[in-house]
Amino acid sequence: QVQLQESGPGLVKPSETLSLTCTVSGGSITNYYWAWIRQPPGKGLEWIGNIFYSGSTNYNPSLKSRVTISVNPSKNQFSLKLTSVTAADTAVYYCARGGRWTHMWGQGTLITVSS
Amino acid sequence: DIVMTQSPDSLAVALGERATINCRSSQSVLYNSDNKNYLAWYQQKSGQPPKVLIYWASTRESGVPDRFSGSGSGTDFALTISSLQAEDVAVYYCHQYYSTPYTFGQGTKLEIK
Repeated sequence: QVQLQESGPGLVKPSETLSLTCTVSGGSITNYYWAWIRQPPGKGLEWIGNIFYSGSTNYNPSLKSRVTISVNPSKNQFSLKLTSVTAADTAVYYCARGGRWTHMWGQGTLITVSS
Repeated sequence: DIVMTQSPDSLAVALGERATINCRSSQSVLYNSDNKNYLAWYQQKSGQPPKVLIYWASTRESGVPDRFSGSGSGTDFALTISSLQAEDVAVYYCHQYYSTPYTFGQGTKLEIK
């Protein structure tokens, strides 16, 4: 059974870079799209972007200048970097599988931006 | 960006009764070349990640009870729960994957009356 697990620091200071990794277990990262989606506390879902295992990416233009999604097939991982964070970036960050609808999700990790 | 608007924002339905959640997209999500609606529905229970219920507007995900059904085409869609169960209490989201950036509706909170 494929499982996804997000990892990273729970607290990031304003203006710094948020870095998260998603580890895929129980299956291969190849031949699939992988996505990052976030949810501010008590609010709705925002699609950040996705990446094919080969490395091609799609980003949300609202974040595009600050976002980088990368993949490491040898480690069965993909990652998210978000630069110049502010309090507005405080959210639960989910990694997920799927290039269209997302049919497999990690449990999510709360990232708080605060000094 | 395609804006997804759900109605109502919240809904209270008695156990065993029908619940219907609506979703409207700001432009059509029907792709003419394959005649498919690029729309999905998710259920999110408190403290959990979302779970896909429906994709291609009306295809039920494996393992999803058949009391859940999706309908609609173009810009207007609905998620119907034919007989509400206690475990269906959740927030429900529609999601378009017709064009990037993919977008979600604001969510509909479903409660028991």
